Parts: sequence; C-alpha cells; structure tokens
Amino acid sequence: DAMVIQNPRYQVTQFGKPVTLSCSQTLNHNVMYWYQQKSSQAPKLLFHYYDKDFNNEADTPDNFQSRRPNTSFCFLDIRSPGLGDAAMYLCATSGFSNQPQHFGDGTRLSIL
Amino acid sequence: SQQGEEDPQALSIQEGENATMNCSYKTSINNLQWYRQNSGRGLVHLILIRSNEREKHSGRLRVTLDTSKKSSSLLITASRAADTASYFCATSPPGGGNKLTFGTGTQLKVEL
Repeated sequence: DAMVIQNPRYQVTQFGKPVTLSCSQTLNHNVMYWYQQKSSQAPKLLFHYYDKDFNNEADTPDNFQSRRPNTSFCFLDIRSPGLGDAAMYLCATSGFSNQPQHFGDGTRLSIL
Repeated sequence: SQQGEEDPQALSIQEGENATMNCSYKTSINNLQWYRQNSGRGLVHLILIRSNEREKHSGRLRVTLDTSKKSSSLLITASRAADTASYFCATSPPGGGNKLTFGTGTQLKVEL
C-alpha cells in the first residue's frame, strides 16, 4: 500500500544535541509538510515543500531546518533541541490543490 | 495562529448515538477538511468539502458547510466504540495551494 513512513516512531535526545527525523513516501506526491503537535493541541505547520521549493512558516524557529533531497524523502533537523521542542512531529504529503493530506504516524520526540 | 475553533472540546456518548462536532473559522477558504486522529497516531483524512458545496456524505459521516457563517459541522451517525478519537477540522486558503490550518479539535469518546 502507498503510504507515508516516519522513522523512528520514538526518539530521545539530550538538551542541545542535534537530532534528525525522517519521512518517506511512496505516493509520489509533490508536496510534503512537517507539523509539530504538542499534547492535546492541533498540529502546527512548520514548513512545506512544493517539489523542491521550500516554504517556511513565519513563526517557525530558526532552530528547525528541513531538507528534501528527492521526491520520496524529507528530513526535519532540530539543531539545538530545547525542552519546549518535545512533541509529536508529523509528516504529511499531498497533491497541489484541493487534495487531502496523507499523514505518517509521527515521531514522538523526548528531550532529556 | 489557529484558524478554527471546535465545539465541543470533548464529547462522550453511548454506542449507537449520533455525534455532532462543530467548527468555526475566521477567514475565506478554498475548502474545509475533517480529519480523525487516534491516540498516538497520525491524522486520517475523512472528508473534503469545497467552498461552493453545502453538504457531503461518506458512509456514516455527514459534513455541512455554511460559508456565510464561517462554520462547518461533522455528524457521525450510529457511533461505534472504534469512532473514539480526536476530530479536527482544517481549512485551506483561497488562491490554490494546499496548506492547512487546523482547528482545536474535539475529543470524542464512544462508550459501550
């Protein structure tokens, strides 16, 4: 089945130690998104790619970076994680317009 | 910032009853989508309704959209224990593109 896969499902890192979360898709969608979701809150969009065009949300901290080396893969890099960055990180994909988004099961990030 | 607010925040019903969730949003939209999220999992797309549509059905789900009131409702008929989840509305802005802004969500619990 075509899907969006996030690895790992659970990630523990130390305060200030860089961490990378990965996302892959077999849907061949042009658009990929990264969301941050804190407990009992709505997902908050961090950034998204239209093909290779990167679009950052205005309130996304500089600490968060992303890479999309090809259509299938997208990475979220957190350069110096703080305690406030502990959250579920969700990757999603879609077509260009009027299309639903397809989500992975997320990576739950804990900061020690 | 949050585009939508959902009401109620939490809803507890008995199996077999109907569940209604409401979503209000602030600005013009291209479409409105509803998603379900089971605990600890990613979001699953339920229904997409375009701004020129007023009602849509999918199985036991019925969605209405009133653009004059900037509101939408999701009705789940004959609910089952498996419907227990959080439900989010999400809006897509006019002018194309597929970026979503999520509402605050409704936690639905269906009891046997």
